[in-house]
Amino acid sequence: DAGVIQSPRHEVTEMGQEVTLRCKPISGHDYLFWYRQTMMRGLELLIYFNNNVPIDDSGMPEDRFSAKMPNASFSTLKIQPSEPRDSAVYFCASRGLGGVDGYTFGSGTRLTVV
Amino acid sequence: AQSVTQPDIHITVSEGASLELRCNYSYGATPYLFWYVQSPGQGLQLLLKYFSGDTLVQGIKGFEAEFKRSQSSFNLRKPSVHWSDAAEYFCAVGFSGGYNKLIFGAGTRLAVHP
Repeated sequence: DAGVIQSPRHEVTEMGQEVTLRCKPISGHDYLFWYRQTMMRGLELLIYFNNNVPIDDSGMPEDRFSAKMPNASFSTLKIQPSEPRDSAVYFCASRGLGGVDGYTFGSGTRLTVV
Repeated sequence: AQSVTQPDIHITVSEGASLELRCNYSYGATPYLFWYVQSPGQGLQLLLKYFSGDTLVQGIKGFEAEFKRSQSSFNLRKPSVHWSDAAEYFCAVGFSGGYNKLIFGAGTRLAVHP
């Protein structure tokens, strides 16, 4: 299994631009999570999906953030418009039903907004 | 409120020395408990987990952790640290009958002196 795949690994964009982060979960996993990691706030859960349906988006910081999961093998996190304070590492993770193995994390996308 | 505390932000040990990283949680029932490790520029890798049963759990890379209900703790240990163990370690806790929302501690950064 290739694990959770995130793209791009690094993204540098100018303030005001739209940014789209992508995630492919492990095949067969029915939960998908988006986390943001910063020095100041640590790891924060932004949103999670179950069977492609958003279950809890209470961690999404603002309306500028949106996430979708159109099918079981793909999810996006979009920021529009981006701001410098959005600079962080964004992680996607997935787990299966029951989740006895915990979450599996992707390698993350390091976003820099200048 | 549910919370996870890792009291030590930085720890430095000598190679070959023993290691204990602390984790405490606040919750009225037994949570699901995890330890993850993050190497620089990488995602989080699961070291070990506790759901129920034997309170001493073994993980990968020679790590173990002990759940102590009376102390609300889940400390991570390793008898002899290797230079390659230098990384950041996160304790994570799932509450409320499942762990759809893992809450992470702030992390402990481990440095290993030769």
